[in-house]
Amino acid sequence: EAQVTQNPRYLITVTGKKLTVTCSQNMNHEYMSWYRQDPGLGLRQIYYSMNVEVTDKGDVPEGYKVSRKEKRNFPLILESPSPNQTSLYFCASSSNRDPRIEQYFGPGTRLTVT
Amino acid sequence: EDQVTQSPEALRLQEGESSSLNCSYTVSGLRGLFWYRQDPGKGPEFLFTLYSAGEEKEKERLKATLTKKESFLHITAPKPEDSATYLCAVQAMNTGFQKLVFGTGTRLLVSP
Repeated sequence: EAQVTQNPRYLITVTGKKLTVTCSQNMNHEYMSWYRQDPGLGLRQIYYSMNVEVTDKGDVPEGYKVSRKEKRNFPLILESPSPNQTSLYFCASSSNRDPRIEQYFGPGTRLTVT
Repeated sequence: EDQVTQSPEALRLQEGESSSLNCSYTVSGLRGLFWYRQDPGKGPEFLFTLYSAGEEKEKERLKATLTKKESFLHITAPKPEDSATYLCAVQAMNTGFQKLVFGTGTRLLVSP
């Protein structure tokens, strides 16, 4: 089954404790992206990757890092989480062959930073 | 700046009561407009892509239409299982490859 998986699904942590949210897709997609979803603000892009070793900032990259060492994986790293990073995070992927093609989203990771 | 505004924020319908959701957009050259459905606790699920004014697409009880300034998602004779948040997103010609700008969504509740 074609899917995007994220782990963990739920995470409660404390300010300053480094964490990583993993994202993996099994569709051989080149493009992967991270979004955060906050009430009243909609989905906002954090980082995206066009392919292995190619990443770039989205609209709200501050406080986040990413890496793309393998095509299937695109982890999101919070080096020193703060309470304003409490949010619902989604990873998405799609093929590069047409920019208009739909993106497939993961199930989400609900992060709480206290 | 590219912008997407969805209305209403929330909509409550009786089963079988048809209605429309609105997505107004401002973008410097539209590459595509996307509709997604999002169930509570889940990721957005793709519904439609519209590329040019006048285009229409249908899927079961849903029909999406596009003009130069807005898109409508028409729901005909909805059922309770159509309850979800419906998200609209645009992709502009002059922005990064595959970059989507999302609206905040319309929460639809269909009562039996």
